[in-house]
Amino acid sequence: DQQVKQNSPSLSVQEGRISILNCDYTNSMFDYFLWYKKYPAEGPTFLISISSIKDKNEDGRFTVFLNKSAKHLSLHIVPSQPGDSAVYFCAASGDRGGGSQGNLIFGKGTKLSVKP
Amino acid sequence: DTEVTQTPKHLVMGMTNKKSLKCEQHMGHRAMYWYKQKAKKPPELMFVYSYEKLSINESVPSRFSPECPNSSLLNLHLHALQPEDSALYLCASSQDPDSNYGYTFGSGTRLTVV
Repeated sequence: DQQVKQNSPSLSVQEGRISILNCDYTNSMFDYFLWYKKYPAEGPTFLISISSIKDKNEDGRFTVFLNKSAKHLSLHIVPSQPGDSAVYFCAASGDRGGGSQGNLIFGKGTKLSVKP
Repeated sequence: DTEVTQTPKHLVMGMTNKKSLKCEQHMGHRAMYWYKQKAKKPPELMFVYSYEKLSINESVPSRFSPECPNSSLLNLHLHALQPEDSALYLCASSQDPDSNYGYTFGSGTRLTVV
């Protein structure tokens, strides 16, 4: 059973518009959430994270929102740029990202295409 | 077997020591990764191996030397490390470098350099 779910395998957005990538999780013990970005033939690289004590974290064009009651988080990219085209992975951890216990659990990814 | 196994779980080494971290998976994955995670920070990518060949080196100092002897095994050789290299080192694997799913992380080796 997937603990971290990204139900949209792909998303296409026009340049300049907002991209919204969604992620749902089932394990209420998760308290640290991350978004990773992956270009073809490369490993996922860290993009932005949020701790469960917050409901929003912003970094430039990227904002992550966390709704704990719904066990849902989303990544907003605005404005979207063609260089944002990549696969985006949601990941969750149960020890505030310390890594000393459980592993990072990744979702299956959403492929974002930003069209000029 | 659906796990990535890392050994040792803990390692303390001096700055003049040579040690190796080991990572093993038997899921038939052809891409393997090394990540470094400092306390309270997200993992940062160090190396990517694709079909047993090094494809990505994220500007990692030469005191870290990766090796992929076969498709199931990934090593990270350590030599002349600095105290600031103390961190959790995570290994991960995926079906292939272009895979959109199936990323599995090991539980890591907690390294302390003294």
